[in-house]
Amino acid sequence: SQKIEQNSEALNIQEGKTATLTCNYTNYSPAYLQWYRQDPGRGPVFLLLIRENEKEKRKERLKVTFDTTLKQSLFHITASQPADSATYLCALDPGGNYQLIWGAGTKLIIKP
Amino acid sequence: AAGVIQSPRHLIKEKRETATLKCYPIPRHDTVYWYQQGPGQDPQFLISFYEKMQSDKGSIPDRFSAQQFSDYHSELNMSSLELGDSALYFCASSRRSINYGYTFGSGTRLTVV
Repeated sequence: SQKIEQNSEALNIQEGKTATLTCNYTNYSPAYLQWYRQDPGRGPVFLLLIRENEKEKRKERLKVTFDTTLKQSLFHITASQPADSATYLCALDPGGNYQLIWGAGTKLIIKP
Repeated sequence: AAGVIQSPRHLIKEKRETATLKCYPIPRHDTVYWYQQGPGQDPQFLISFYEKMQSDKGSIPDRFSAQQFSDYHSELNMSSLELGDSALYFCASSRRSINYGYTFGSGTRLTVV
């Protein structure tokens, strides 16, 4: 079955630097992959979706890449700010039936 | 803009009691999902509805049931509560025809004592 792996260790980044989070998946490549942000005690918030035929997607300071050969997506936050500190979840739809499976998320800490 | 509304925000129940969680999806969203999230864990899919019909079932215990009503709001009913049911319960909605991701509610924090 399809699995998603995200770095379970917290990522500590100095303010102003670029934070890069990794999402690896097994088995076949999904039609699309999504990234969410979750703050403690709150629901995940949708950030970006990237389709299998897209190599890169940008939104303001966010950039997502999708490498179907490596079975990996990278999530970048440039010019990081303490307010970017949160847990970032990767999710994909393995069956194309709009049912997402989720990674466990990576906690990002941006230090001032 | 209207978001996904969940109620109540917090709920404390005793073991073996019953709880009902409510969710009001975003208007014109045709799919509703229920998730359970324990501390430090990823969201675990429970059940989903598409156009008011149950569409997928995940790791939902037999003690739980859910339905979606004619006004599109959904309720998650949980009976014979156990201590292990303590978690955050999220409802999310989406439009299947548009891959814009799920919109989650603020969640209901259920504590079983």
